[in-house]
Amino acid sequence: DSGVTQTPKHLITATGQRVTLRCSPRSGDLSVYWYQQSLDQGLQFLIQYYNGEERAKGNILERFSAQQFPDLHSELNLSSLELGDSALYFCASRKNTGELFFGEGSRLTVL
Amino acid sequence: AQTVTQSQPEMSVQEAETVTLSCTYDTSENNYYLFWYKQPPSRQMILVIRQEAYKQQNATENRFSVNFQKAAKSFSLKISDSQLGDTAMYFCAFIKIQGAQKLVFGQGTRLTINP
Repeated sequence: DSGVTQTPKHLITATGQRVTLRCSPRSGDLSVYWYQQSLDQGLQFLIQYYNGEERAKGNILERFSAQQFPDLHSELNLSSLELGDSALYFCASRKNTGELFFGEGSRLTVL
Repeated sequence: AQTVTQSQPEMSVQEAETVTLSCTYDTSENNYYLFWYKQPPSRQMILVIRQEAYKQQNATENRFSVNFQKAAKSFSLKISDSQLGDTAMYFCAFIKIQGAQKLVFGQGTRLTINP
């Protein structure tokens, strides 16, 4: 158990819809990262937050947005969903010694 | 920008053998961390081993060890006495200590341990 909690674990929705993925980092970790992994692909960095502020941004689509709340949990919002958005979305929190610990992921299927 | 390259898309060895996975990276940073992550069929991302760039001593975790060559920007993972449960996708990853600290992954090596 990494200590990072992601919900929901699985989500099936239709094109054009909007979904919200939620992440609770490990206790004491201030940084939250979001990654996207499509089938048989590597992990693509989306965005990083540190203590509520956006710190780094990857190739995140304009249809996607995220935020980190005062209690440090984070949400990733995906809107106007397309078939190609089907993927495993990981959240990770970073320990102060550098390593990231990953949640189990939220598997999104867009039909 | 930092890049991480894993040149072996797939590898396969027999149980109990030793296998080495290769990783090279490119950076102008002097202080950073390197990691190997394992992703089994469950798709959970599991940290295998961690190396600080300022440490010359290679990290070891039980059957897993690394060969870190800072000047060559090389970071290979050696798995000794391989077990069936080691079958997974292995990702090499880099994170710098200062500035924007995104974890950059290589493309992955799919490792199969055969009985």
